[in-house]
Amino acid sequence: DAGVTQSPTHLIKTRGQQVTLRCSPKSGHDTVSWYQQALGQGPQFIFQYYEEEERQRGNFPDRFSGHQFPNYSSELNVNALLLGDSALYLCASSPVFGTRISGANVLTFGAGSRLTVL
Amino acid sequence: KNEVEQSPQNLTAQEGEFITINCSYSVGISALHWLQQHPGGGIVSLFMLSSGKKKHGRLIATINIQEKHSSLHITASHPRDSAVYICAVQANTDKLIFGTGTRLQVFP
Repeated sequence: DAGVTQSPTHLIKTRGQQVTLRCSPKSGHDTVSWYQQALGQGPQFIFQYYEEEERQRGNFPDRFSGHQFPNYSSELNVNALLLGDSALYLCASSPVFGTRISGANVLTFGAGSRLTVL
Repeated sequence: KNEVEQSPQNLTAQEGEFITINCSYSVGISALHWLQQHPGGGIVSLFMLSSGKKKHGRLIATINIQEKHSSLHITASHPRDSAVYICAVQANTDKLIFGTGTRLQVFP
């Protein structure tokens, strides 16, 4: 059973460019969350998608946008890249409201996409 | 002040030592997660707690909801336990708020 898969694993962009990162959730999961992890820091919540809609959003500018497809996979788009956008971007999937189930450990993370902006 | 605070930030230990990592939080939560992150980025979920204590192998996690505090213990530590351990709280809105992590190095 494949877990969460993310692509690409590494990429390099220059300032002002746009980037699209992709995430396929674990089988049976339909909720996808995206996180940004700067070097030496804990991850920061970007947004969460369920039923193809953005359900929650963290404190990130509108340059960060996303999409969820009918097969539950998701994309993260970042426009007008800044040097400060260099980070590891993590995707995590879960069953809808499944992370509330007491005793169930259902949150699954992908290995991340490491973005470097030059 | 961060909503989730971990201590210590860095920890070194000799193989076989008992290790404790602490997490304090200041928001209302529905659950708390302990995560392990190895170099290269991959995060593995170790525990999800909403009360009491859980044990898996040499790992034990406890949470005190009243005191807003959780601990992760590693018994008989091993060099393969070397990683960053992250505490993340699940706010009542379902989003996760992460601590900055504790970098553990276990030497043989």
